[in-house]
Amino acid sequence: AQKITQTQPGMFVQEKEAVTLDCTYDTSDPSYGLFWYKQPSSGEMIFLIYQGSYDQQNATEGRYSLNFQKARKSANLVISASQLGDSAMYFCAMRESMEYGNKLVFGAGTILRVKS
Amino acid sequence: KAGVTQTPRYLIKTRGQQVTLSCSPISGHRSVSWYQQTPGQGLQFLFEYFSETQRNKGNFPGRFSGRQFSNSRSEMNVSTLELGDSALYLCATSTSGPYNEQFFGPGTRLTVL
Repeated sequence: AQKITQTQPGMFVQEKEAVTLDCTYDTSDPSYGLFWYKQPSSGEMIFLIYQGSYDQQNATEGRYSLNFQKARKSANLVISASQLGDSAMYFCAMRESMEYGNKLVFGAGTILRVKS
Repeated sequence: KAGVTQTPRYLIKTRGQQVTLSCSPISGHRSVSWYQQTPGQGLQFLFEYFSETQRNKGNFPGRFSGRQFSNSRSEMNVSTLELGDSALYLCATSTSGPYNEQFFGPGTRLTVL
């Protein structure tokens, strides 16, 4: 079974600084996808960034970038120039193939607090 | 393009009752997945529906069921509610293409008293 590990229960970052949220994964499937979602206190899961296992370059989406190290099985999220609105729970997830279709397997999440 | 909608947003029930939650996907999305989120267990996959058929199922008891209609809207039903069913229930929809990014709704927060 696939597994996602987020070892940082909570993180603090100063406004305008960069922060890295850690994610390691375990899978025997050669083809997989990794996602990062943001969940504000309202509860909605907001898609941030995606990295496919065969992608040659690290994914970037605006202030979000994914530091993908395949050999180490890590997919860390880097948020540059943190803003107060970035305060939320962040989840790393992996797409797990099933007999038909697939599902997402989530890590435990990291709470990020941005300080002014 | 309208996002994923879930109704109701909040629900309070008592033990033993049953509840039905609804999820309307983004137009064109045919796959609807349901997830349960609790502080203790985190986010767990319940089941996925595609073209009105349950395609995949997570490790939940038979009290949890669902269905999907021809317009891709999905309902999830929980019978004989237990205190431990208190959770945020999220649905996620996708086109079920090779990329398969899932878009989430705002969730339904269920409290069982």
